[in-house]
Amino acid sequence: DVQMTQSPSSLSASIGDRVTITCQASHDIVNYLHWYQQKPTKAPKLLIYDASNLQPGVPSRFSGSGSGTDFTLTITSLQPADVATYYCQPYDDLDFGQGTRVEIK
Amino acid sequence: QGQLVQSGAEVKKPGSSVKVSCRSSGGTFDSYSFSWVRQAPGQGLEWMGRIIPILGLVNSAQQFQERLTITADTSTSTVYLELTSLRSEDSAFYFCARGLPLKPSDVWGQGTRVSVS
Repeated sequence: DVQMTQSPSSLSASIGDRVTITCQASHDIVNYLHWYQQKPTKAPKLLIYDASNLQPGVPSRFSGSGSGTDFTLTITSLQPADVATYYCQPYDDLDFGQGTRVEIK
Repeated sequence: QGQLVQSGAEVKKPGSSVKVSCRSSGGTFDSYSFSWVRQAPGQGLEWMGRIIPILGLVNSAQQFQERLTITADTSTSTVYLELTSLRSEDSAFYFCARGLPLKPSDVWGQGTRVSVS
């Protein structure tokens, strides 16, 4: 099975800051990497699919990049609504990364 | 877009079983892949398994294979998760999620709290 290493586990940034979250896969997963956002007490929400494709309705300040084993989720200008935990998932039937909790400084 | 509606909260004794339902609306039921994901209190997301009704395909994470059954009823557009031999560590929110086969889940249920004590 593919193991995902997600970092950092948490971060605190100011409104308007650029935020970067990374996921590293134990094996080459091509571009089969998806990013989810989960707000407290809510179900996860798909943000980015296949490494770099923005899910319809997701703000354009979110972007994804990477291929092979190294992937990045970027928030170009952090907003209060972005306070959440973010998870990566390889393919559609494997376990998630450990999660990154994003807070406002 | 579609919607998934899950059954209500459950309180179970250790050693018993729980069955959670997830009714799908919008789109063609058979054409989707349905996954189950759980989240223990204060913990991350844990993928449990999935079913693709049109292929009759079911697969599950290794740690659940002996205790987990995932089924689908196409007549009611409902998928089910049954987990047996419950222990306190199984206390969690259980989410069903839907996507096209081999694609990520883009529709999620509201979650079902299962408490084992």
